[in-house]
Amino acid sequence: DTAVSQTPKYLVTQMGNDKSIKCEQNLGHDTMYWYKQDSKKFLKIMFSYNNKELIINETVPNRFSPKSPDKAHLNLHINSLELGDSAVYFCASSQVTSGDKYFGPGTRLLVL
Amino acid sequence: AQSVTQPDIHITVSEGASLELRCNYSYGATPYLFWYVQSPGQGLQLLLKYFSGDTLVQGIKGFEAEFKRSQSSFNLRKPSVHWSDAAEYFCAVGARGANNLFFGTGTRLTVIP
Repeated sequence: DTAVSQTPKYLVTQMGNDKSIKCEQNLGHDTMYWYKQDSKKFLKIMFSYNNKELIINETVPNRFSPKSPDKAHLNLHINSLELGDSAVYFCASSQVTSGDKYFGPGTRLLVL
Repeated sequence: AQSVTQPDIHITVSEGASLELRCNYSYGATPYLFWYVQSPGQGLQLLLKYFSGDTLVQGIKGFEAEFKRSQSSFNLRKPSVHWSDAAEYFCAVGARGANNLFFGTGTRLTVIP
């Protein structure tokens, strides 16, 4: 069973479009995250959700909006996609009492 | 300020040779340290972590890492590298219970026959 899953794995789209990436975890964790990995492989946190509350938003443009329908899901919606949004987006989850973060396989987004 | 430095961008080793990947950190609180591996086109897999106690920690796939507080380092080692170890390795630091992990820029490992 996949612990943290993301869909789609690849996403190619045009500038200006709106797209969503879905994430699900079956680990029973109480916190979920979105990380962005740029072309130089640098990983930076975008959001985290704990008990349906957004608790980190690291200077991410408001075109990005995380949505968590329940503890097991944290989706990422992106409006008006720009070329610079091309990256790999990783979902992760953890239990807030530990530091272990489990990552999904990533979604490779290419904006043309 | 929190940061992680992985000074080696790319390392090439022969299969069967030993490996050491360097990681230095700067963190204001008690650091919790991690090594992740990312195989090509894959997500990140946790190799090992250090929270407290024995400063030499064992991980999966035969990897180990040693925490040296005096040097602010957490280097990853493996005595004999296998071709399947070729991947990108990331060191990260955070605080237990904290939401953010600070990642280094990664070290790409190439294994030659």
